[in-house]
Amino acid sequence: RKEVEQDPGPFNVPEGATVAFNCTYSNSASQSFFWYRQDCRKEPKLLMSVYSSGNEDGRFTAQLNRASQYISLLIRDSKLSDSATYLCVVFTGGGNKLTFGTGTQLKVEL
Amino acid sequence: EAQVTQNPRYLITVTGKKLTVTCSQNMNHEYMSWYRQDPGLGLRQIYYSMNVEVTDKGDVPEGYKVSRKEKRNFPLILESPSPNQTSLYFCASSLSPQGMDTQYFGPGTRLTVL
Repeated sequence: RKEVEQDPGPFNVPEGATVAFNCTYSNSASQSFFWYRQDCRKEPKLLMSVYSSGNEDGRFTAQLNRASQYISLLIRDSKLSDSATYLCVVFTGGGNKLTFGTGTQLKVEL
Repeated sequence: EAQVTQNPRYLITVTGKKLTVTCSQNMNHEYMSWYRQDPGLGLRQIYYSMNVEVTDKGDVPEGYKVSRKEKRNFPLILESPSPNQTSLYFCASSLSPQGMDTQYFGPGTRLTVL
């Protein structure tokens, strides 16, 4: 089983739609969680950290479910500019290890 | 402008010819890492450094070397490149340990080894 798993997609959605991605992780000792965005083989950039209580940043909402070991990202009112690959990232302190998922591709269409 | 720079951005080389990819950051970050990204495998850490002269292996260190003689620079060295090292390479830096802070990535180096 992969340490961090994501559905690769692509998710093709119309502009204005709401879309959600999930990411599962295998190590229950994982401590920190992030969503990064990567445009077409460019460098990844932090989208948001994921907190235990859930957090929101504009149209983006991230949630963590420790019991089921998954994190989610919800994008409301999708824009064309949201088209990108979204990387789930998990940090495990014991091994000082930052593990990246393979990413979920989102395509927002007119 | 705060940034991480990498050079070269693109490189085609032949098997066995030593090469160095440079990485430099101007944010006074203590933590720096190298990753490679391959289709279907995601980003995998090659090496990371917690400070000057302090480096440690990541998940895929075989065939690579690094050095951290100055805080701002973290070059990646391939002593004898092989075709399986053809990949997209990213350098990253952060102010705090990697699980606690934003990773700032360089623009990437696309390496092809023939």
